[in-house]
Amino acid sequence: AQTVTQSQPEMSVQEAETVTLSCTYDTSESDYYLFWYKQPPSRQMILVIRQEAYKQQNATENRFSVNFQKAAKSFSLKISDSQLGDAAMYFCAYRNRDDKIIFGKGTRLHILP
Amino acid sequence: GAVVSQHPSWVICKSGTSVKIECRSLDFQATTMFWYRQFPKQSLMLMATSNEGSKATYEQGVEKDKFLINHASLTLSTLTVTSAHPEDSSFYICSPYGTANYGYTFGSGTRLTVV
Repeated sequence: AQTVTQSQPEMSVQEAETVTLSCTYDTSESDYYLFWYKQPPSRQMILVIRQEAYKQQNATENRFSVNFQKAAKSFSLKISDSQLGDAAMYFCAYRNRDDKIIFGKGTRLHILP
Repeated sequence: GAVVSQHPSWVICKSGTSVKIECRSLDFQATTMFWYRQFPKQSLMLMATSNEGSKATYEQGVEKDKFLINHASLTLSTLTVTSAHPEDSSFYICSPYGTANYGYTFGSGTRLTVV
């Protein structure tokens, strides 16, 4: 069975600075998708970024980028120029061959003004 | 694209009663529906998976007779919590999946409080 581990329950970053959230996963599959989701206080799940495992190039979406290390099974999220609106719970997630999503336990990100 | 509507957003019910939660995919056809449960300050836990026109598949530890799932059409799925108890109080989230969307879209969630 696949597992997703987020080792940082909480993190803080100064506004306008850069922060990296860690995620590791375990799988025996070779083709899969990885995601980062944001859950603000409203609790609406918002897709931040996704990565196809077969792509070597790291995905980027504006201020958000990932460092995908397939061999190491690592999938970290970098947020540049942090903004107050980035404060939320961030979940790393893995989609397995059954199309089920497995979530990590989440990292709560605080933005310090 | 990939607009999802989940209702109600919150509901309070008495112990022993049943509550129905609806999830609609408004601009795409959802061949599969995932239902999640989230306890406070915890992650999302998959409860069940349903395919349109088929019986739902429940994850281990989830009571299928308590959490009834209907996925009768490609745009609507319902989760009914039967004979609700206070321990069923939680946040329930649906996630319809269709062939057009790779990154899953989620409903806005339903906060259920059983008193």
